[in-house]
Amino acid sequence: KNEVEQSPQNLTAQEGEFITINCSYSVGISALHWLQQHPGGGIVSLFMLSSGKKKHGRLIATINIQEKHSSLHITASHPRDSAVYICAVLRGGSNYKLTFGKGTLLTVNP
Amino acid sequence: DGGITQSPKYLFRKEGQNVTLSCEQNLNHDAMYWYRQDPGQGLRLIYYSQIVNDFQKGDIAEGYSVSREKKESFPLTVTSAQKNPTAFYLCAVGQGVGDTQYFGPGTRLTVL
Repeated sequence: KNEVEQSPQNLTAQEGEFITINCSYSVGISALHWLQQHPGGGIVSLFMLSSGKKKHGRLIATINIQEKHSSLHITASHPRDSAVYICAVLRGGSNYKLTFGKGTLLTVNP
Repeated sequence: DGGITQSPKYLFRKEGQNVTLSCEQNLNHDAMYWYRQDPGQGLRLIYYSQIVNDFQKGDIAEGYSVSREKKESFPLTVTSAQKNPTAFYLCAVGQGVGDTQYFGPGTRLTVL
């Protein structure tokens, strides 16, 4: 079993819909990252969380440390949100090493 | 112009040849990383460096080598010992433990 599991693997939505992508992990962590990868391959860091909730524009990320679960929400989705969203965890006590989920491919249709 | 540069974007090599992928940064960050991405898999760490003249193996270091002679540069050599080198290679940099990592645009290596 992978240490970081994302669901769903693929998600198709209509423009304007509310999107939720989930990430569950099985190890103790000190931080969790959400990343976005566009079709060209470049990766952008969206959030780094160790507790609670963060918001940036239409993106919201939450984490529940006790349940070992994080969610990424996109409000009022747009076709330009189409990308692969990747969850990554920094294991507790680890120096610099992240463990990555396989990613969720989001397609938003106009 | 600030950021992380990886070149080239696409690279083709014949089987048995060594090839070096470049990664340059002007963000003045200490930590640099090399990841490999394969279809249907999460990113996997090849090597990382926390400081000049020091680097550590990641989870899949076999068949790869690196150097860190300058803070700005962390080149990755894919040697002929790497059994399946065709992949997308990403370089990242970060300031410290648990800090946000900033990714370069990647190099897609195809070994023919």
